[in-house]
Amino acid sequence: KAGVTQTPRYLIKTRGQQVTLSCSPISGHRSVSWYQQTPGQGLQFLFEYFSETQRNKGNFPGRFSGRQFSNSRSEMNVSTLELGDSALYLCASSYGGTEASQQFFGPGTRLTVL
Amino acid sequence: AQRVTQPEKLLSVFKGAPVELKCNYSYSGSPELFWYVQYSRQRLQLLLRHISRESIKGFTADLNKGETSFHLKKPFAQEEDSAMYYCALGSGAGSYQLTFGKGTKLSVIP
Repeated sequence: KAGVTQTPRYLIKTRGQQVTLSCSPISGHRSVSWYQQTPGQGLQFLFEYFSETQRNKGNFPGRFSGRQFSNSRSEMNVSTLELGDSALYLCASSYGGTEASQQFFGPGTRLTVL
Repeated sequence: AQRVTQPEKLLSVFKGAPVELKCNYSYSGSPELFWYVQYSRQRLQLLLRHISRESIKGFTADLNKGETSFHLKKPFAQEEDSAMYYCALGSGAGSYQLTFGKGTKLSVIP
């Protein structure tokens, strides 16, 4: 099985711009979660989508949004970028059932905001 | 609020020595605990989860609800164990919202 893929791998933007990151889950996985990783705050949960619906949401401002398509691919969008949004953004996919399920992580998208 | 604490940023041990990576959590409900590992230049991957009660690559972890701990242990460290280790807490059955600790970098000295 192909692993979780994320595009692009690297991105440089300037303050005030917006950005869209993409995540393709493992075939058959219906849940996609997004995390932000920074040296100061570590790994922080952004949101989780299952069957095109946001099922869980972390404590991030409304500038961070996401969506999931019928093929389970997911995108996350950050509007009005701030310097503090510079981070590694990870997505993870899983089957999404009711029991604890292993999450498989992608390689991440490194976002730099100048 | 959920919280995961990994008190050691860096842990150095000699090859063949025992390893214990500490993890304490704060959660009022029934927790699901995981250990994730990230080897150099590789993506984050699941090492083990408390619900499976299994040993992976010689590592074990026992959930102690009284002490709210989920320490990761291995009796004899190997050089290939050098990596970043993250303890993570899921907030209930089927939870896909993980709260991660800040991680511990394990360095095994040959």
